[in-house]
Amino acid sequence: GIQVEQSPPDLILQEGANSTLRCNFSDSVNNLQWFHQNPWGQLINLFYIPSGTKQNGRLSATTVATERYSLLYISSSQTTDSGVYFCAVNRDDKIIFGKGTRLHILP
Amino acid sequence: GAGVSQSPSNKVTEKGKDVELRCDPISGHTALYWYRQSLGQGLEFLIYFQGNSAPDKSGLPSDRFSAERTGGSVSTLTIQRTQQEDSAVYLCASSFIETQYFGPGTRLLVL
Repeated sequence: GIQVEQSPPDLILQEGANSTLRCNFSDSVNNLQWFHQNPWGQLINLFYIPSGTKQNGRLSATTVATERYSLLYISSSQTTDSGVYFCAVNRDDKIIFGKGTRLHILP
Repeated sequence: GAGVSQSPSNKVTEKGKDVELRCDPISGHTALYWYRQSLGQGLEFLIYFQGNSAPDKSGLPSDRFSAERTGGSVSTLTIQRTQQEDSAVYLCASSFIETQYFGPGTRLLVL
């Protein structure tokens, strides 16, 4: 099956710093999504991005489907950005998740 | 409704018992998803419905798991003869076109 790898697994940053999270996938996919799970467990769907670039405030994402990777950019990070960021790909009516990047923003 | 709701929020059961988890999606959302997250682990996709149909049920962990959706709305996930390894948070999400909106989850503990 498709493998989804995220890097780095853990990231600790000072408030105000920028960060880039990466998601590599091993085969062609129908779609790709980024999710954020806050420290209390609530999940939010950040981007639905099979290709191209999207921006939402301080967050943006780029997927290069031909090269099988996606990047999530967080600029001017805030403590509320802490949590785990998951990448997930859709293929054949299934969704496969990466193991996530745990981000901790220090005040 | 304001968002996706799930019930119960917590469930403690004994090994071997059956449990039923419920998901109420946002009104008008045609797609509904079930996921599982074991303690400290990532997310595992279980099944999704488009309307009342589930195109692929192979993501369910075993034949003890079943799911149904009626009236294009409420969905139930049933686990028969629960095992300790079924302990996890079961999450439901719904969507209309793209963005999935998640419920708060049902925390299941099998003793």
